[in-house]
Amino acid sequence: GAVVSQHPSWVICKSGTSVKIECRSLDFQATTMFWYRQFPKQSLMLMATSNEGSKATYEQGVEKDKFLINHASLTLSTLTVTSAHPEDSSFYICSAPDASRGHGGELFFGEGSRLTVL
Amino acid sequence: AQTVTQSQPEMSVQEAETVTLSCTYDTSESDYYLFWYKQPPSRQMILVIRQEAYKQQNATENRFSVNFQKAAKSFSLKISDSQLGDAAMYFCSFSGSYDKVIFGPGTSLSVIP
Repeated sequence: GAVVSQHPSWVICKSGTSVKIECRSLDFQATTMFWYRQFPKQSLMLMATSNEGSKATYEQGVEKDKFLINHASLTLSTLTVTSAHPEDSSFYICSAPDASRGHGGELFFGEGSRLTVL
Repeated sequence: AQTVTQSQPEMSVQEAETVTLSCTYDTSESDYYLFWYKQPPSRQMILVIRQEAYKQQNATENRFSVNFQKAAKSFSLKISDSQLGDAAMYFCSFSGSYDKVIFGPGTSLSVIP
């Protein structure tokens, strides 16, 4: 199957700093990337959808100025948590469909990034 | 708006036995896809099985099979011959015309040796 590589897998930062998470599609072109947030023992909540070359679409309640998403190429999307606070601590997961393979909506997931803000 | 419901927060099964995880969904669309994803302790999401709504035949994948009831908007997952490695969170999910994938709240499955 298609591979999505996500880095870093875990990061600890001080309150007020910014953290960037990268997701790369290694063997397919990801025209769309979904960014999810997952709290412990909870489901994946969609934060935003990024499309290559255009502005991301954010879900209701997600602060676009805090969670900056860039999708500069067909293989790279980044999520930057700006001015991070402890309440931003969570598990962030990226995923992308590979429409060229006709998988009909199947998502290929990154390994996830655990963010801890002190 | 589409919603996905999983009414069983936790389930357990004896090793080698069979277990069924429930899922219901709500949508006004007629063409969509349904999935079961597995999330083990590593937290890497893994596709278990996929069902196209236009197909009447239930999908099967080795020990995993689904019971898809389109009229009832029900999509249950049956795991046969359960193995210790099946212990994980299982998420039922829906993908419609907008390509967003919506996840249910999940069912935590424990396998008892």
